[in-house]
Amino acid sequence: AQKVTQAQTEISVVEKEDVTLDCVYETRDTTYYLFWYKQPPSGELVFLIRRNSFDEQNEISGRYSWNFQKSTSSFNFTITASQVVDSAVYFCALSEAGAGKSTFGDGTTLTVKP
Amino acid sequence: DGGITQSPKYLFRKEGQNVTLSCEQNLNHDAMYWYRQDPGQGLRLIYYSQIVNDFQKGDIAEGYSVSREKKESFPLTVTSAQKNPTAFYLCASSPPAGGYIAKNIQYFGAGTRLSVL
Repeated sequence: AQKVTQAQTEISVVEKEDVTLDCVYETRDTTYYLFWYKQPPSGELVFLIRRNSFDEQNEISGRYSWNFQKSTSSFNFTITASQVVDSAVYFCALSEAGAGKSTFGDGTTLTVKP
Repeated sequence: DGGITQSPKYLFRKEGQNVTLSCEQNLNHDAMYWYRQDPGQGLRLIYYSQIVNDFQKGDIAEGYSVSREKKESFPLTVTSAQKNPTAFYLCASSPPAGGYIAKNIQYFGAGTRLSVL
């Protein structure tokens, strides 16, 4: 069975601070996909990134960066120089290669104060 | 514009009533999903469908039913058997399994907030 743990329920930072959201996963498969989604107050989840299990390269997209470490089963998400618009709930998710569905973590609520 | 449309945005259910939440997509996606989100909690999978006329139960299917008669549509019925239906319901779809680039990425609708009167 697969499992995704986001231990941080809520994080509050002041604008321009860097913040890292943790994600730890469990799976028996060797081929799987990891995702991060953002849920702003409007409610609709927005896809941010997908990483497959064979690609441990870290990725940077603007102020966002992701650190995938297979050895610790972690896929952490860092926002650099946070902004108020980054305030949202962030979900980490895992999908096994042969499955048609994903397992989501419970989410981390990020509040960025001005 | 392509996307997923959920309606209505808000829905109220009376005791003993069945209600149906609509989910339509024009992305030509094969797979569709229904999730329930309770306050402060993550997404729990209710039902999913990978192809027309076929669907599977998720983790919390009791008290819910679905149909998949058309590729574009995946309505969810909350039956009277669901004793605690108040929640935010999200529909999602996913591209064909053969597409490597977009594999397993889910695209979400704006959600339906269901409350009990």
